[in-house]
Amino acid sequence: AIQVTQSPTSLSASLGDRVTLTCRASQDINNKMAWYQQKPGEVPQLLIYYASTLQSGTPSRFSGSGAGTDFSFTISHLQSEDFATYYCLQGYDLYTFGAGTKLELK
Amino acid sequence: QVQLTESGPGLVQPSRTLSLTCTVSGFSLTSYNVGWVRQPPGKGLEWIAAIWSGGTTDYNSALKSRLSISRDTSKSQVLLKMNSLQTEDTAMYFCARSGTEGMDHWGQGVMVTVSS
Repeated sequence: AIQVTQSPTSLSASLGDRVTLTCRASQDINNKMAWYQQKPGEVPQLLIYYASTLQSGTPSRFSGSGAGTDFSFTISHLQSEDFATYYCLQGYDLYTFGAGTKLELK
Repeated sequence: QVQLTESGPGLVQPSRTLSLTCTVSGFSLTSYNVGWVRQPPGKGLEWIAAIWSGGTTDYNSALKSRLSISRDTSKSQVLLKMNSLQTEDTAMYFCARSGTEGMDHWGQGVMVTVSS
């Protein structure tokens, strides 16, 4: 099974900051990486798929990049509603989620 | 519009079998894949199983021996069974429409507690 290592586990940032999260797959997954946002008590929301394609409705301050085994997810200008937990998901060979990154207000 | 709705018992005794149903609308099970994901309280997401549009199935290797996923296309339902439940199976269980792009539509989830 493909393993996915997500980092950091947690991150403290301020409004307006630029933050970047990363996920590394244990083997080449082409571009089959998605990114999700989950707020407490809510359902995960798909933000980005195929590594860099924004899901309909995802604000443009969110972006993704990468291919092969290394992927990154960036929020360019943090807003209050962005503080949440983010997960990556590989969909190349079945599915594996990263462990999540909790983004907190500094 | 696309909707998925999970249903099932909120409480299951240890060693018993869990049966969950995902009822979908707005798309056909013969055109789209559906999977199950779970999330223990305060923890991360774990993919459990999928049934593909052609009817074939796949499972998380760590849980495979305890799982069965099936569908009833006439009722637009996907069924998940997990046997030999333990307290560590306590979690929110979600069904989601699935593809290589990930899971684009999710149900609201059903909380399952394993306790005597």
